[in-house]
Amino acid sequence: EVQLVQSGAEVQKPGESLTISCQGSGYTFNNYWIGWVRQMPGKGLEWMGIIYPGDSDARYSPSFQGQVTISVDNSVSTAYLRWSNLKASDTAMYYCARLRGVRFNDGFNLWGQGTLVTVSS
Amino acid sequence: DIQMTQSPSTLSASVGDRVTISCRASQSVSGWLAWYQQKPGKAPKLLIYDTSSLQSPVPSRFSGSGSGTEFTLTISGLQPDDFAIYYCQQYSSSSPTFGQGTKVEI
Repeated sequence: EVQLVQSGAEVQKPGESLTISCQGSGYTFNNYWIGWVRQMPGKGLEWMGIIYPGDSDARYSPSFQGQVTISVDNSVSTAYLRWSNLKASDTAMYYCARLRGVRFNDGFNLWGQGTLVTVSS
Repeated sequence: DIQMTQSPSTLSASVGDRVTISCRASQSVSGWLAWYQQKPGKAPKLLIYDTSSLQSPVPSRFSGSGSGTEFTLTISGLQPDDFAIYYCQQYSSSSPTFGQGTKVEI
């Protein structure tokens, strides 16, 4: 089965670091861009950034550039989203998603189940 | 960033209705536009890509049209399973963006 499976919910304090993960299976992981999408409580979808596992080419929305780091480990078919200094405003559901095809300009046709990140003192 | 504006924000409809949701881009995105459906507590689901191509196995009652800056998602014959929030997304630029969403409710 083609799927993306994300790591579990996290509760962290402001200022802490955090990495969440997204493991792909059932397809050639290296061949498809994987992105991250934020959804704050009760709000819409925000495109954060994307990475091509084949060469680790990562691109970010200006809104998220410098705030998070996207990386991959092809040996375990996993993409990561990392924060080094969490803020309360990072509280949200985070989805990983795979592009439909091999080109960069495409829709996301495969989604993870989401990881809820709560940042609170 | 290219801004995507959907209208209406909320739409009240009945089963069997023909429903139209609009999406306007702040600049041309050519045909690089997708539509998603999201239900409460679930990940979004791709319905339409490249403006009008139906993602398999999405039902054919969903259709998309438009070009440049004006796009439309149409649901022909609303079904109970279609009550959800719908988002458009442009992927023309190096920083894709979503619309704010349209809630389709009873």
